[in-house]
Amino acid sequence: DTGVSQDPRHKITKRGQNVTFRCDPISEHNRLYWYRQTLGQGPEFLTYFQNEAQLEKSRLLSDRFSAERPKGSFSTLEIQRTEQGDSAMYLCASSWTGKNTEAFFGQGTRLTVV
Amino acid sequence: GENVEQHPSTLSVQEGDSAVIKCTYSDSASNYFPWYKQELGKGPQLIIDIRSNVGEKKDQRIAVTLNKTAKHFSLHITETQPEDSAVYFCAAIPKGEKLTFGTGTRLTIIP
Repeated sequence: DTGVSQDPRHKITKRGQNVTFRCDPISEHNRLYWYRQTLGQGPEFLTYFQNEAQLEKSRLLSDRFSAERPKGSFSTLEIQRTEQGDSAMYLCASSWTGKNTEAFFGQGTRLTVV
Repeated sequence: GENVEQHPSTLSVQEGDSAVIKCTYSDSASNYFPWYKQELGKGPQLIIDIRSNVGEKKDQRIAVTLNKTAKHFSLHITETQPEDSAVYFCAAIPKGEKLTFGTGTRLTIIP
């Protein structure tokens, strides 16, 4: 499978715990995005990387959220001290800036904070 | 930044009829407009896209039109089938920037 892969698919955590999600992009893609989606809404931009550089972070991204892409390949999104409002689907997408810009999404990680 | 509006939020059509979903964008620098289909519990799937140097693009039963002057673009699905039922999102992206999504349209095909 050469698509975007996200792990885990589902995560249930207690309020106050830390969680980390992983995204493996399509191998030749240099750009990687994180989005958050709540029920009935469109994906909201969180942050994106070009290679290992984090180019932009949304104002939605509080200090409890941190993302990394240490070697320009996979990325991790960590949420510290989770709150019930963090419950959402976290989507990762990747694209190649040198060609046609199509962004392909993974299946997402559904986070439930109880 | 870019702002994308999408209408309608819900749409029901009889199987075999056509469905049209419309989006408007605010940033005249946007030059790439993809459409995504999202089924329950899955990530968005790219179904068609159009670039600013083209006015229309078609792929089998799906077509997209772009009016740069009016800053709007539309998705057209003809001969709808039950498997077309899903949530559809439009998006816009200025060159080198991030995707900004519309709020989505829940399309229901009535058998």
